Amino acid sequence: SQQGEEDPQALSIQEGENATMNCSYKTSINNLQWYRQNSGRGLVHLILIRSNEREKHSGRLRVTLDTSKKSSSLLITASRAADTASYFCATLYNQGGKLIFGQGTELSVKP
Amino acid sequence: GAVVSQHPSRVICKSGTSVKIECRSLDFQATTMFWYRQFPKQSLMLMATSNEGSKATYEQGVEKDKFLINHASLTLSTLTVTSAHPEDSSFYICSATGLAGEDEQFFGPGTRLTVL
Repeated sequence: SQQGEEDPQALSIQEGENATMNCSYKTSINNLQWYRQNSGRGLVHLILIRSNEREKHSGRLRVTLDTSKKSSSLLITASRAADTASYFCATLYNQGGKLIFGQGTELSVKP
Repeated sequence: GAVVSQHPSRVICKSGTSVKIECRSLDFQATTMFWYRQFPKQSLMLMATSNEGSKATYEQGVEKDKFLINHASLTLSTLTVTSAHPEDSSFYICSATGLAGEDEQFFGPGTRLTVL
């Protein structure tokens, strides 16, 4: 399976703390994307990082990409209770335009 | 931003019936649409890729005769679950891309299918 792996599977933190989620994938990619999903809802696109980029920021989000290790991390700073959701990484490979999703991290931010 | 809608948002049906789910791109022309399935507490699994006017490409293990996909226009793709059974109960999500070379996929809100 091409599906990537994410860790941790579940993460519980207090409001104000930082949350770090990691994603690993198996073959070379065109780009890697992070999505958020609230329970029972659709996906919200958070950030896209291309294979020639190493770091990207968007508000309280910071994404890194290490293509030599085939891994990425998503950092959410100063977390809020509203950040509680599942977070998925997804990789776009060089052909077909298919997004392959990681297994996801379930983040719980306690007020 | 680009908006993708799905209809219905929730459907409950009896075993053996067929269910059609629609995916529409509301403010852009979707050259490619993707259908995913998500079981509870699991990730999204790609089922098939459909390009307007051509046959869908199914992922390994997905029965094309069971999950019929039609992408008849640049704004509409449909997924029909034929002869649904309880094991087909899942959250079905579509996504769409627009212009060639665009990397971002825009996701619909999903359809919750429950087969009794």
